[in-house]
Amino acid sequence: GAVVSQHPSRVICKSGTSVKIECRSLDFQATTMFWYRQFPKQSLMLMATSNEGSKATYEQGVEKDKFLINHASLTLSTLTVTSAHPEDSSFYICSATHPGQGAHEQYFGPGTRLTVT
Amino acid sequence: AQRVTQPEKLLSVFKGAPVELKCNYSYSGSPELFWYVQYSRQRLQLLLRHISRESIKGFTADLNKGETSFHLKKPFAQEEDSAMYYCAPHNYGQNFVFGPGTRLSVLP
Repeated sequence: GAVVSQHPSRVICKSGTSVKIECRSLDFQATTMFWYRQFPKQSLMLMATSNEGSKATYEQGVEKDKFLINHASLTLSTLTVTSAHPEDSSFYICSATHPGQGAHEQYFGPGTRLTVT
Repeated sequence: AQRVTQPEKLLSVFKGAPVELKCNYSYSGSPELFWYVQYSRQRLQLLLRHISRESIKGFTADLNKGETSFHLKKPFAQEEDSAMYYCAPHNYGQNFVFGPGTRLSVLP
């Protein structure tokens, strides 16, 4: 149980376009989902915390107008990178906490590799 | 401010040797302590959490509140233990912060 999926697994887009990444909890309802960014050989950096039905909470330095997060249902959160630039190229990972497992443990998606050309 | 340090970016040991991955944290309150692991081409997954006091894949972690450390240990490393390991303390209601990670390489 507690499986999180992401789609797509990798995407290449042109500079200036927008790209949407989906994060789904497959077998549980996730009231809270998290979006991370991971650069090569570096740790995960939390970008935002997404709660179902409310606005996401962004970390300092993360542009909310550039990284649009929507958590419209208990099993789906989306991250849209708007007007993408090459410096947005990165590995984006989502996670969710399972309400039955306590609020601490996170279940991670496989990640989405974004390449902006 | 929450701060997690893992002093070794890379740790190489030979198969069968003991291994210790260090983690020190600076947090207010009494955080729950976690170790996450990321094997090559796999997603990040929970390895163990302090509160459960389980030994997972032969790994254990001892919480030292005085030193605010939560080092991960295994007496006999195996090649399949080669992975990235992240220490992650967490206070309920606060943001998740992952340590910088230690890449463990177990040599044959």
